[in-house]
Amino acid sequence: GNSVTQMEGPVTLSEEAFLTINCTYTATGYPSLFWYVQYPGEGLQLLLKATKADDKGSNKGFEATYRKETTSFHLEKGSVQVSDSAVYFCALSDQSGGFKTIFGAGTRLFVKA
Amino acid sequence: GAGVSQSPSNKVTEKGKDVELRCDPISGHTALYWYRQSLGQGLEFLIYFQGNSAPDKSGLPSDRFSAERTGGSVSTLTIQRTQQEDSAVYLCASSLYRDIGETQYFGPGTRLLVL
Repeated sequence: GNSVTQMEGPVTLSEEAFLTINCTYTATGYPSLFWYVQYPGEGLQLLLKATKADDKGSNKGFEATYRKETTSFHLEKGSVQVSDSAVYFCALSDQSGGFKTIFGAGTRLFVKA
Repeated sequence: GAGVSQSPSNKVTEKGKDVELRCDPISGHTALYWYRQSLGQGLEFLIYFQGNSAPDKSGLPSDRFSAERTGGSVSTLTIQRTQQEDSAVYLCASSLYRDIGETQYFGPGTRLLVL
C-alpha cells in the first residue's frame, strides 16, 4: 500500500539557518505530493504541492521537488524564521489509493531567535 | 469566505458514552474527509464522502465509528461507547472535488478526551 516516511523531529534551528525535512514515499501509482503545515494553535493548511515528476512546488520561501527516481519530496528553505516554527506533514494522494491522502507522522520544527 | 468549521472545539466525555462531532465544509466543496490525529502521531484517515457516491469507510477503526453527510453538506462523525483510546483530535477537511491533486482545506478540529 501507499505510505509516507518523513524524518523524525523535533528539528531545532537558529534563525536564518538552512532547513531540510526529508520525505520519501511508496506508491503503486503516480501520486500527487503535498506538504501541509500546522502552526501552533491553527489548523492544517497546504504549504505547497507537486502533481508530476520533476515539478517543483514553492511557497513562502519553501521549496520541494518531486523526484520519482528517488521517490522523494524533501522540503527545503534557505533561511528560516521564528515564524516558521510549526509541524510539517508530507502527504501523497493517488488514484490507486482510492484518492485517499496518506500523511506522514509530521516533523516539528523549532526556530530560535 | 468561510472556511471549514467544526463543533464542538473540545469534548470531554466518560467512557462508554456516545459522542457526535460536526463538520461544516466550505460551501460548494463536494468532497469531505475525516481524520484522526493522536498525540504525536500523523493523520489517520477515517472516511471520506464524494458527492452522492457511497462513502469510502475503509479507515474507520471499528464499528463503533460511523459518519453521515446530509444533503451533500454538513457531516457528523459518531463514536458509540467511547473508549479511552478514542481520545484524539478529530479533523475534518473538504475539497472542491475528488482528485489526486486537489488541495484539502482543514477545520480547526475537535479535541476529544475520554475519561
